[in-house]
Amino acid sequence: GIQVEQSPPDLILQEGANSTLRCNFSDSVNNLQWFHQNPWGQLINLFYIPSGTKQNGRLSATTVATERYSLLYISSSQTTDSGVYFCAVGAPLGSSNTGKLIFGQGTTLQVKP
Amino acid sequence: KAGVTQTPRYLIKTRGQQVTLSCSPISGHRSVSWYQQTPGQGLQFLFEYFSETQRNKGNFPGRFSGRQFSNSRSEMNVSTLELGDSALYLCASSRTLAGSTDTQYFGPGTRLTVL
Repeated sequence: GIQVEQSPPDLILQEGANSTLRCNFSDSVNNLQWFHQNPWGQLINLFYIPSGTKQNGRLSATTVATERYSLLYISSSQTTDSGVYFCAVGAPLGSSNTGKLIFGQGTTLQVKP
Repeated sequence: KAGVTQTPRYLIKTRGQQVTLSCSPISGHRSVSWYQQTPGQGLQFLFEYFSETQRNKGNFPGRFSGRQFSNSRSEMNVSTLELGDSALYLCASSRTLAGSTDTQYFGPGTRLTVL
């Protein structure tokens, strides 16, 4: 099945710093989402980005589908950005991995004041 | 528009008991998927329901089952609970089949503890 690897596993930043989180996937996908898991466990949608680039405030994401990776950029980080960031991919209809999101292991981000 | 809701939010059970979790999708969404999150295994897909039919199933034992009602609300049931079933159970909804190019939205989760 599709493998999803995220790096780094852990990241500690000072408030105001920028960061880049990476997601590599092993096969073609038609769905890629970035999530932030809040301290209570809910997965908050950040981006739906199977290809291309999107920006939302201090966050932006780029997916290069042909090279099978996606990047999440966080600029001017704030303490409220702390938490776990997940990348999840979905396989095209008809493939053995369709019908579900396959998650990476996540990047745990801690932003210090 | 209201988000995905899950009830109950917290649950404590003992080994051997059974449990039923509920998920109400976003209005208009027809697909409901269930995921289990544990520290050791991460987030793993349980099953997806679309139009009251199970469309896809993950690699979990038969003790895990689910169903979907005509209003798209879904329930999952775990019978004969084991200690290893302690986890955060997350439900996600989308307008179309989960395998399509559609965004999935997650609920707040149900945290199950098995003693």
